[in-house]
Amino acid sequence: DVKVTQSSRYLVKRTGEKVFLECVQDMDHENMFWYRQDPGLGLRLIYFSYDVKMKEKGDIPEGYSVSREKKERFSLILESASTNQTSMYLCASSFGGNIYEQYFGPGTRLTVT
Amino acid sequence: AQTVTQSQPEMSVQEAETVTLSCTYDTSENNYYLFWYKQPPSRQMILVIRQEAYKQQNATENRFSVNFQKAAKSFSLKISDSQLGDTAMYFCAFRSGGTSYGKLTFGQGTILTVHP
Repeated sequence: DVKVTQSSRYLVKRTGEKVFLECVQDMDHENMFWYRQDPGLGLRLIYFSYDVKMKEKGDIPEGYSVSREKKERFSLILESASTNQTSMYLCASSFGGNIYEQYFGPGTRLTVT
Repeated sequence: AQTVTQSQPEMSVQEAETVTLSCTYDTSENNYYLFWYKQPPSRQMILVIRQEAYKQQNATENRFSVNFQKAAKSFSLKISDSQLGDTAMYFCAFRSGGTSYGKLTFGQGTILTVHP
């Protein structure tokens, strides 16, 4: 079974804090993704990575950065958290190639106060 | 840029009945993939069904089937014999057939409630 895990299910941070969200997959997938999920907006892609140390901006990268130092791990960083970054964050991974499905982690519900 | 639209924010159905969730998309591409994902309450999102645009035949997976209308850019999901475990949020998603590194564009989601 493919497993995608995320470091926290729930997280509460203060405005201005630096926040790290970690994602680990155990299936040797090339691609990894970070989405945020908001009611009425669906999932929106923040960043993705198709190889170690490679990253590409998604549709809403502002205020976020990412790091992929190892193939199995993809981190999302909020350099200075703001209240409008309160959201559900979902990590996903997949093999390269467009036919393959993405496998999702359980999500991290982040609240910034 | 591609867009995916799910116009039904919420749907409900009685157990054992059939329900259809709607999805439309906009693209200028001819080769692409479409997906339906299911997100049960407080559980991980999982793939329900996928459709390759070059295939004329509609995909089916047990009680789940799609109605893929390429010219109309429509991709609806039919759930037959609905079960309580089908209660979830359902997302329609689009993937380009070109070099896209597997990126998905999602619709807004439809919350489906199955009543006993």
